[in-house]
Amino acid sequence: AQKVTQAQTEISVVEKEDVTLDCVYETRDTTYYLFWYKQPPSGELVFLIRRNSFDEQNEISGRYSWNFQKSTSSFNFTITASQVVDSAVYFCALSGITDSWGKLQFGAGTQVVVTP
Amino acid sequence: DTAVSQTPKYLVTQMGNDKSIKCEQNLGHDTMYWYKQDSKKFLKIMFSYNNKELIINETVPNRFSPKSPDKAHLNLHINSLELGDSAVYFCASRKSGRGSEQFFGPGTRLTVL
Repeated sequence: AQKVTQAQTEISVVEKEDVTLDCVYETRDTTYYLFWYKQPPSGELVFLIRRNSFDEQNEISGRYSWNFQKSTSSFNFTITASQVVDSAVYFCALSGITDSWGKLQFGAGTQVVVTP
Repeated sequence: DTAVSQTPKYLVTQMGNDKSIKCEQNLGHDTMYWYKQDSKKFLKIMFSYNNKELIINETVPNRFSPKSPDKAHLNLHINSLELGDSAVYFCASRKSGRGSEQFFGPGTRLTVL
């Protein structure tokens, strides 16, 4: 069975601080896919990034960066120099190769609050 | 605009009523999903269709019945609505293939009184 744990319920930061969101996953699949989605106060779910289990190269995209470590089953997400517009709930999700139809197992989400 | 759209955005109804939510995507995807987000923001898959065929059917009361008239549409009909059905329902779609990302609709907030 797949499981995604986001232990941080809420993180509050002041604008321009960095914020790191933790995601720990469990799967028996040797091939799997990890995702981050953002849900701003307006409610929609926005796809941010996808990572394959066989690609541990970390990535930076603007103010966003991701740290994928198979050894610790973690896929953490960092927002550098946070802005008020980053305030949202962030979800980590997992899809294993045995879920050939792409079923996503979501974590509980982490609420990020950025204050001016 | 290319997107996943849902109607209605808000739905307020009485217990016992029957209601439907419609979803359409013009992304050319062949797989569509329904997810339920509860009051604690937890997201759980309900159903999935691939090329109009039901492929995922999680443990959902049979009062919920999805229908896919074609690859671009996936509707959700709910009979005999209960208080516990109040939630946000999201439609999503993706192009089938290993690890392809899902794109979500704006959600339908259902409130059962």
